[in-house]
Amino acid sequence: KQEVTQIPAALSVPEGENLVLNCSFTDSAIYNLQWFRQDPGKGLTSLLLIQSSQREQTSGRLNASLDKSSGRSTLYIAASQPGDSATYLCAVFGSNYQLIWGAGTKLIIKP
Amino acid sequence: DTGVSQNPRHKITKRGQNVTFRCDPISEHNRLYWYRQTLGQGPEFLTYFQNEAQLEKSRLLSDRFSAERPKGSFSTLEIQRTEQGDSAMYLCASSLGTLPGEQYFGPGTRLTVT
Repeated sequence: KQEVTQIPAALSVPEGENLVLNCSFTDSAIYNLQWFRQDPGKGLTSLLLIQSSQREQTSGRLNASLDKSSGRSTLYIAASQPGDSATYLCAVFGSNYQLIWGAGTKLIIKP
Repeated sequence: DTGVSQNPRHKITKRGQNVTFRCDPISEHNRLYWYRQTLGQGPEFLTYFQNEAQLEKSRLLSDRFSAERPKGSFSTLEIQRTEQGDSAMYLCASSLGTLPGEQYFGPGTRLTVT
């Protein structure tokens, strides 16, 4: 059974710092991995999608990597800004055609 | 706005009542998913449709839950005889293609059962 874990559960850093969020999964048989952002009480915004054949994807200040063999993905945020404060969730799409989610990392960027 | 829309955004109901939520996916997206999210947790898969066919249902979807997607366009999720444990955010997403693709989410419907 696929399990997705995100560490840390919460992170608070000063504005301007580069930071890394971690996601690990137990079953490497995945189609893709997706990183999302969720603001309080709101829906989910897709940030990056990495196909199983890819190693990384970049969008602006965000870079996501995928290492299927070790069951890990990282989301790198460069030059963090207060507007980046949100909960970041990763989800893997497995052979059962379901997205399996981590519980998220709550990120606070202090001005 | 051409994103995924959900209605209503908030629903407060008394235990035992029936509720129905609607999701309008991005037009031409053939796949539609329903998820449930409780506070502090990631979403949990409930069910998904490819066009009008419901292809997968989670064990979380008890007999009190039913979902439809007539004509492969909008979808409805009905909960009968609501219980306090049904209080959650219900999220809908859509994607395009036959292979797993990027899912785009709606704003969600927050259900509170009193």
